[in-house]
Amino acid sequence: SQTIHQWPATLVQPVGSPLSLECTVEGTSNPNLYWYRQAAGRGLQLLFYSVGIGQISSEVPQNLSASRPQDRQFILSSKKLLLSDSGFYLCARRPPTGELFFGEGSRLTVL
Amino acid sequence: AQSVSQHNHHVILSEAASLELGCNYSYGGTVNLFWYVQYPGQHLQLLLKYFSGDPLVKGIKGFEAEFIKSKFSFNLRKPSVQWSDTAEYFCAVKNSGYALNFGKGTSLLVTP
Repeated sequence: SQTIHQWPATLVQPVGSPLSLECTVEGTSNPNLYWYRQAAGRGLQLLFYSVGIGQISSEVPQNLSASRPQDRQFILSSKKLLLSDSGFYLCARRPPTGELFFGEGSRLTVL
Repeated sequence: AQSVSQHNHHVILSEAASLELGCNYSYGGTVNLFWYVQYPGQHLQLLLKYFSGDPLVKGIKGFEAEFIKSKFSFNLRKPSVQWSDTAEYFCAVKNSGYALNFGKGTSLLVTP
């Protein structure tokens, strides 16, 4: 089966600290991968997507960045977190059938 | 601007009541349409999807949705809800790009 792992599941970080959220995918090769942020009452906001190693497209300008160092690994980073970066971060893959499959998410609280 | 609108933000129903959640989009051209559900404490799951063909789509757990092209709508329906349907529901649209664009979600509470 194809599985999406997100790590860590929960994270509390101070303002100004760095961030690294990891997403790894099993059971498929060359997946299209996505980072979304879910905030209460605001739905899901697309942050980044990647169609292959080293290929990143950014949808929203902000202090976050993404990288895809390996085929099945997608990393969300920040050098200095802001309070507004708090939220629930979801990694997803999209197979050729078109729908998205989501991981279980990483909840970030910035204090 | 291209957008996905879910007009009902919070819905409260009694068990056995009928459900209809609205979804409208503003994209032109060919679209793929989706409904996702997020049960409390769980990850997002696909309920149903429409790509082409019969505009009435059947999904899991007794849900269905109807694509009405002239109204740019893809409303979700269920004839009789259960307590276990309490969840947040998201409509999503994909047009020519790589990504799905989501509405803000509708929170459904089903009371016994």
